Amino acid sequence: AAGVIQSPRHLIKEKRETATLKCYPIPRHDTVYWYQQGPGQDPQFLISFYEKMQSDKGSIPDRFSAQQFSDYHSELNMSSLELGDSALYFCASTGFLQGGPTSTDTQYFGPGTRLTVL
Amino acid sequence: DAKTTQPNSMESNEEEPVHLPCNHSTISGTDYIHWYRQLPSQGPEYVIHGLTSNVNNRMASLAIAEDRKSSTLILHRATLRDAAVYYCILAYGQNFVFGPGTRLSVLP
Repeated sequence: AAGVIQSPRHLIKEKRETATLKCYPIPRHDTVYWYQQGPGQDPQFLISFYEKMQSDKGSIPDRFSAQQFSDYHSELNMSSLELGDSALYFCASTGFLQGGPTSTDTQYFGPGTRLTVL
Repeated sequence: DAKTTQPNSMESNEEEPVHLPCNHSTISGTDYIHWYRQLPSQGPEYVIHGLTSNVNNRMASLAIAEDRKSSTLILHRATLRDAAVYYCILAYGQNFVFGPGTRLSVLP
């Protein structure tokens, strides 16, 4: 079965550079979530999209922005990178369920993008 | 946000059952209880979820207390591949709030 695809899998950037992470949800899934997991930490919710509209926002820095496109893939744009942005970035998707995301939705996670900021 | 409390770590012997507890005394009536697990450098993997009744699937069983203030994930026969961090998550709106989880070690 098709899974969530994230690219790139690894990314190395210098401080103050920009980075773009991409997420391709499971086919027919319309909701995408982004999570950040720092070294030795738990995943932290950043932002989510449902039907190409931002649906919820967590602890996402102002330097980060994201969007969901017409084919439901999503991109996380990160600017003015800092050392503390080094982390694993996970994308998760959920599918159609009675018109929108609910608490019952199972989130399917991608393999993550490991971002290293030097 | 709804909070969960889990043991930091647990150990099990291979092929023995494992009971992973989770306390969630502030759970609201509409919160679902989700369990995910994460292997090193991999994305969290869905294990099981439930609302009020006990649930079974091919991976595990979920036992939910009658007052819903606690739950237990049951792995019927632990294998080495079950060694992971297990997260108990109360669904809050759309996004998940991950706690520290329980690091399960499986001994051969």
